[in-house]
Amino acid sequence: DVKVTQSSRYLVKRTGEKVFLECVQDMDHENMFWYRQDPGLGLRLIYFSYDVKMKEKGDIPEGYSVSREKKERFSLILESASTNQTSMYLCASSASSGSSYEQYFGPGTRLTVT
Amino acid sequence: QKEVEQDPGPLSVPEGAIVSLNCTYSNSAFQYFMWYRQYSRKGPELLMYTYSSGNKEDGRFTAQVDKSSKYISLFIRDSQPSDSATYLCAPSEKAAGNKLTFGGGTRVLVKP
Repeated sequence: DVKVTQSSRYLVKRTGEKVFLECVQDMDHENMFWYRQDPGLGLRLIYFSYDVKMKEKGDIPEGYSVSREKKERFSLILESASTNQTSMYLCASSASSGSSYEQYFGPGTRLTVT
Repeated sequence: QKEVEQDPGPLSVPEGAIVSLNCTYSNSAFQYFMWYRQYSRKGPELLMYTYSSGNKEDGRFTAQVDKSSKYISLFIRDSQPSDSATYLCAPSEKAAGNKLTFGGGTRVLVKP
């Protein structure tokens, strides 16, 4: 079974703090994604990566950065957290061939910025 | 206008009813159409996948795509309380290394 794990289920941070969200997958997938999910807006893509040290901006990258130093790990960084970054953050991974259309999601991290 | 639109619901139906879910989209380049199911406090999981126009059936679930009208549907027959979840449509331009564009999701509640 593919497993995507995220470092925390719930996180509370203060405005201005630097926040790290970690994601690890165990299926040797090339592609990894970070989304945020807000009521009525669905999932919106923040950043994605097709390979180690590669990253591409998604639809809403402002205020975020990412790091992929190892194939299995993809980190989302909020350089200076703000209240409008309070959201559910979901990490996903997918293969580059075969059933690559399927993205496997982690359980999510609910981040509250106060 | 959002690229993919879904009625947010909630859609409440009695057990055994047919559930009908819809999405509309604006990007003509979408060719792959996915439906994800998300239970409360969980990440989404792929339910069904359709390429181009047409129907696809998988047990109690049927996905329909009409590319001419940019309309995607998911039908759930003989609905069960365990089908209570949020359903997200997610079209994509390509399969490999796909970027998905998610709709807002429709919350479905199947009452026993």
